[in-house]
Amino acid sequence: EIVVTQSPGTLSLSPGERATLSCRASQSVSNNRLAWYQQKPGQAPRLLIYGASSRATGVPDRFSGSGSGTDFTLTISRLEPEDSAVYYCQQYGYLYSFGQGTKLEIK
Amino acid sequence: QVQLVESGGGVVQPGRSLRLSCAASGFTFSIYAIHWVRQAPGKGLEWVAVISSDGGHAHYADSVKGRFTMSRDNSKNTVDLQMNSLRAEDTAVYYCGRLGYCSGGSCHYYGMDVWGQGTTVTVSS
Repeated sequence: EIVVTQSPGTLSLSPGERATLSCRASQSVSNNRLAWYQQKPGQAPRLLIYGASSRATGVPDRFSGSGSGTDFTLTISRLEPEDSAVYYCQQYGYLYSFGQGTKLEIK
Repeated sequence: QVQLVESGGGVVQPGRSLRLSCAASGFTFSIYAIHWVRQAPGKGLEWVAVISSDGGHAHYADSVKGRFTMSRDNSKNTVDLQMNSLRAEDTAVYYCGRLGYCSGGSCHYYGMDVWGQGTTVTVSS
């Protein structure tokens, strides 16, 4: 089983700032099959990034993903109030597992 | 439009069974693997199970292995999750979603790009 760990647990930033969210896997993720999701209260998750760095359809270019192997990053430049949400990473290189989430608060 | 709709949630006593369904529309259902993901109240996402596009293979999280069974009917565009021997810790919102398809001898994985709205399962006496 690949264990996925996200950090930090909570991030509090102001509009216009940059957010950097980290995701670390216990083993190398095959073919960089790593996705990022955004979830707002009462809603299903929304795919943001797949394949570690490819943006899903309709996702603003403020969202970008990077990394390979075991270390991955989601960067949100120029934060907007609607970016307040919980963000999850998921590896789908060997079976499937989610990180525990990072809560992003916009001040 | 492309969508997945879950149904079948409810309140059930510990040790009893429940069957969830996921109905698909707006896309070629038969080429997609379908997953179940759950979220306990106030907690994060937990991957539960996946079934291959032809229904021939399924994989389960250790937490549900031996108790949950996925099946699908490509003629009806539906996937079911049979949940037996339910426990309090199975209480969650259950989402179905699609992740990856195989066509023309190759497979493509784009993350879980379509999710249902979720159905709530409460296991309580």
